Amino acid sequence: AQSVTQLDSHVSVSEGTPVLLRCNYSSSYSPSLFWYVQHPNKGLQLLLKYTSAATLVKGINGFEAEFKKSETSFHLTKPSAHMSDAAEYFCVVSVPFGNEKLTFGTGTRLTIIP
Amino acid sequence: SAVISQKPSRDICQRGTSLTIQCQVDSQVTMMFWYRQQPGQSLTLIATANQGSEATYESGFVIDKFPISRPNLTFSTLTVSNMSPEDSSIYLCSVTGGQENTEAFFGQGTRLTVV
Repeated sequence: AQSVTQLDSHVSVSEGTPVLLRCNYSSSYSPSLFWYVQHPNKGLQLLLKYTSAATLVKGINGFEAEFKKSETSFHLTKPSAHMSDAAEYFCVVSVPFGNEKLTFGTGTRLTIIP
Repeated sequence: SAVISQKPSRDICQRGTSLTIQCQVDSQVTMMFWYRQQPGQSLTLIATANQGSEATYESGFVIDKFPISRPNLTFSTLTVSNMSPEDSSIYLCSVTGGQENTEAFFGQGTRLTVV
């Protein structure tokens, strides 16, 4: 079975400062990992994905994440926060032979302070 | 990519009634997924719907409460039966690219309020 743990339910940063959203995973197989963003009253949008290629993954809107197998982590970062980044972020895992099912983390609400 | 249309986008329903949510995809897909997102919570998978077979339900979800239809490769419905206020949630339809470990695409969701 696979699981993800998002270590912070809520993160607040000032506009222009770095963003770090933490995610640890557990999987018996080599996982695929995703970060999704959900803006208020909007659908889910894929930010980036890791599928066993490069361990440093670049996504949309300046976000990136690094897959660290030794630490079972897939933390999401952005060098400089923008007000429009305020949203809920979900770390998601899927595994081979998992019938394409996704397992979602509990989410991290990112607040940007002007 | 896939574009998913979900209807209705929101509804307010009386307890004891049922609501059927429709999900239409712009391409043929093998599996479709239904999720529930309770207020302030993450997404929980309700069931996986394959065309031509019974849906596979996750632990805690049963067919009598959440019957699912999958008549073809582009369409599915989820019914929330005999609703109670605890069923107030966002219900989302999702598909993947059809291969292992590809991204998932989501509908906009149906915001259900049961009164």
